Amino acid sequence: DGGITQSPKYLFRKEGQNVTLSCEQNLNHDAMYWYRQDPGQGLRLIYYSQIVNDFQKGDIAEGYSVSREKKESFPLTVTSAQKNPTAFYLCASSSGTSGRWAGELFFGEGSRLTVL
Amino acid sequence: AQSVTQLDSHVSVSEGTPVLLRCNYSSSYSPSLFWYVQHPNKGLQLLLKYTSAATLVKGINGFEAEFKKSETSFHLTKPSAHMSDAAEYFCVSSGTYKYIFGTGTRLKVLA
Repeated sequence: DGGITQSPKYLFRKEGQNVTLSCEQNLNHDAMYWYRQDPGQGLRLIYYSQIVNDFQKGDIAEGYSVSREKKESFPLTVTSAQKNPTAFYLCASSSGTSGRWAGELFFGEGSRLTVL
Repeated sequence: AQSVTQLDSHVSVSEGTPVLLRCNYSSSYSPSLFWYVQHPNKGLQLLLKYTSAATLVKGINGFEAEFKKSETSFHLTKPSAHMSDAAEYFCVSSGTYKYIFGTGTRLKVLA
């Protein structure tokens, strides 16, 4: 079945460590997104990519990094510079068309990161 | 600037009664609009989408929404709530290469 796979589902990190969250899609979508969700809050955009080898900062990119070397993969690294990384992270993809012709977002099941 | 406003952060209904979750949007054009549902510790699942075809959109699990351009609204309704409908609901608008999310409405269903 087509979809988005995020791993790991749960991750614990010590302060000062970098961690990488995996996101893989087999929907053949051009666009991929990373969102952060905190308790009782909506989704905030970290990074997005419209095409391979290109990505843009979202609203809260500080302390995060991404790469897009393959169409199906968009890993997110949470660096030690991120001051408050404990959160639920969601990866999504879409057909990439914007505005009134935009397709829906497809989401993974999420990764919960806890800093010890 | 584009924005999405979900007018209620929490809604409580009794099982078997109607559900109304309200969403207003602001955009310089008619965007694509979506409603998503999120159960605890899960990803978001698409309930329905409006993409400039019929203004009344039917979705999964008995949900529907009506696009009203004059009111810039896209409210989500369901005739009869079920216990399994208890979740967080997000109204989403398409933007220019990004999507704009409302802050969510938590639906509680009382037995």
